[in-house]
Amino acid sequence: EVQLLESGGGLVQPGGSLRLSCAASGFTFSTYAMSWVRQAPGKGLEWVSVIGEGGDNIGYADSVKGRFTISRDNSKDTVFLQMNSLTVEDTAVYYCVNRYWLESWGRGTLVTVSS
Amino acid sequence: DIQMTQSPSSLSASVGDRVTITCRASQGIRNDLGWYQQKPGKAPKRLIYSASTLHTGVPSRFSGSGSGTEFTLTISSLQPEDFATYYCLQHNSFPYTFGQGTKLEIK
Repeated sequence: EVQLLESGGGLVQPGGSLRLSCAASGFTFSTYAMSWVRQAPGKGLEWVSVIGEGGDNIGYADSVKGRFTISRDNSKDTVFLQMNSLTVEDTAVYYCVNRYWLESWGRGTLVTVSS
Repeated sequence: DIQMTQSPSSLSASVGDRVTITCRASQGIRNDLGWYQQKPGKAPKRLIYSASTLHTGVPSRFSGSGSGTEFTLTISSLQPEDFATYYCLQHNSFPYTFGQGTKLEIK
């Protein structure tokens, strides 16, 4: 069974940083692209970023480009999202999802940016 | 960037009804489109990939069609558990983009 467990969310002040992690199991992690998707309270889904199987082929939403960095550690079956220069508009539940085409989803971790 | 225009934004229907949701891409995306269902407080679930292929375990009353710029999700006979919000996603080119969502409510 595929499991994706996000962690690292919490409350951070505007301008601050946070690093999300997603621990994967139940599939061969090193052969899957990994993605992050977010959902602001009461809003729709927003694709955030993706990283290819080998750590190349990286893409970002325009809204996070230059502030967020996606990375992965295939030896630990984990994908990361480093989030810098956070604003209140980054407040959302962040989901970890496998594959480019968003096959299996984690339960999400809440990031709240507030002073 | 490719824009995905999803319609309607909300839909009221009854159990047993046939409903159709549409996504239009601002440029051609071949069949690089998926459909997702989300219930309140839960993570989304994939229903359909490659525009028309049913994800494992998804009931056959769900179907998808389209290619290029016009795509549809059809539920042939609504069941009580189908009342949820539905999203399309294009994964043809970065940045990937979702439609705005369609909230399907009970009439």
